[in-house]
Amino acid sequence: EAGVTQFPSHSVIEKGQTVTLRCDPISGHDNLYWYRRVMGKEIKFLLHFVKESKQDESGMPNNRFLAERTGGTYSTLKVQPAELEDSGVYFCASSTGSYSGNTIYFGEGSWLTVV
Amino acid sequence: AQTVTQSQPEMSVQEAETVTLSCTYDTSESDYYLFWYKQPPSRQMILVIRQEAYKQQNATENRFSVNFQKAAKSFSLKISDSQLGDAAMYFCAYRSMASGTYKYIFGTGTRLKVLA
Repeated sequence: EAGVTQFPSHSVIEKGQTVTLRCDPISGHDNLYWYRRVMGKEIKFLLHFVKESKQDESGMPNNRFLAERTGGTYSTLKVQPAELEDSGVYFCASSTGSYSGNTIYFGEGSWLTVV
Repeated sequence: AQTVTQSQPEMSVQEAETVTLSCTYDTSESDYYLFWYKQPPSRQMILVIRQEAYKQQNATENRFSVNFQKAAKSFSLKISDSQLGDAAMYFCAYRSMASGTYKYIFGTGTRLKVLA
């Protein structure tokens, strides 16, 4: 069974440009999460989808970030326009069902560098 | 709000030796989960071990065990018989058991080096 896959694995863009990160969760997982780790700091929650609906987007830093999950399958996270402080690793994760004790599975992360 | 603190940015251990990674947390809740995740270089972050706060017995998974001190809000990870493959970033994480809560609170991570 394929795990959570993220694309691209690395991206270097200039300040002001747009980047779109993609996440394919494990098949059948209704819950999809985005997290971010700025270098040297903790991994922080960005948002949580249940199927195609945003369940919790309290961690989204500002309106330059837009997350979508079309048809409850893959998700995209767009940053437009990118700023230097957006650099970091963006993790996607997924889990099944509605039980909060279910294990969540992480992808390898998308490394974003804004120069 | 809950917080998780990992005070050791980096640790080293000799192969076959034992190492303990520290984690403390702060919460006013009584029911929650605690986790240790491992992320090897350029690999997925994987679950190492999980502890439910209502369980007094410390969780173990093969060479990995925890020392869970609920009153002290401490959750350390012990790795016995360290192997080269244990080299990774280790993240301690907290999650509430409250209904509808899925958000993880992570620490800053500890980079573990295993010396041959």
